[in-house]
Amino acid sequence: GESVGLHLPTLSVQEGDNSIINCAYSNSASDYFIWYKQESGKGPQFIIDIRSNMDKRQGQRVTVLLNKTVKHLSLQIAATQPGDSAVYFCAESPGGGADGLTFGKGTHLIIQP
Amino acid sequence: DAGVTQSPTHLIKTRGQQVTLRCSPKSGHDTVSWYQQALGQGPQFIFQYYEEEERQRGNFPDRFSGHQFPNYSSELNVNALLLGDSALYLCASSLDRGHGGYTFGSGTRLTVV
Repeated sequence: GESVGLHLPTLSVQEGDNSIINCAYSNSASDYFIWYKQESGKGPQFIIDIRSNMDKRQGQRVTVLLNKTVKHLSLQIAATQPGDSAVYFCAESPGGGADGLTFGKGTHLIIQP
Repeated sequence: DAGVTQSPTHLIKTRGQQVTLRCSPKSGHDTVSWYQQALGQGPQFIFQYYEEEERQRGNFPDRFSGHQFPNYSSELNVNALLLGDSALYLCASSLDRGHGGYTFGSGTRLTVV
């Protein structure tokens, strides 16, 4: 399938290490944030979301941190696996998710064996 | 349970032509949003359809139009195609205008020559 990782920032990590992917969002009015994973030839796949009344949320092997003061979002992936290789996008919405999503530029995560 | 299905998967059109892309939402979802993703970029919001009406629109010209049918499926139409319209077009469905999160399809790859 086609690559979605061209011209994107790249993060290369060793298999088994933890990965941290960062995102700066633009709209102070955004109150809903989502991390998506996109593999080559596929559409974005939901990973985890967080609302603005929280600063941390945990899922299975993933944690999202939200710092509204500096408009920063991060995704932490524990014990990175080869299947985690993909492009990761953060997305924001000012309407609690009811408005169209604004996506960030994306980060290409590469897992080294 | 089928997720979001889009057709066709690939399409080649000539500059100046018109194109129609189709989307069937995930079962139980009533809202459809369309996004354009250029190679190496994050998806950009085109518009959202809910209750058969365009509820919100991103920064796209009137050449981009859409429709939602009573069964919640949707079409995206692009007139007077430009070379710059070449992209992956993604459909995302949700419940109640996105409050329950979005599910993306795998997209239609449109190439304008």
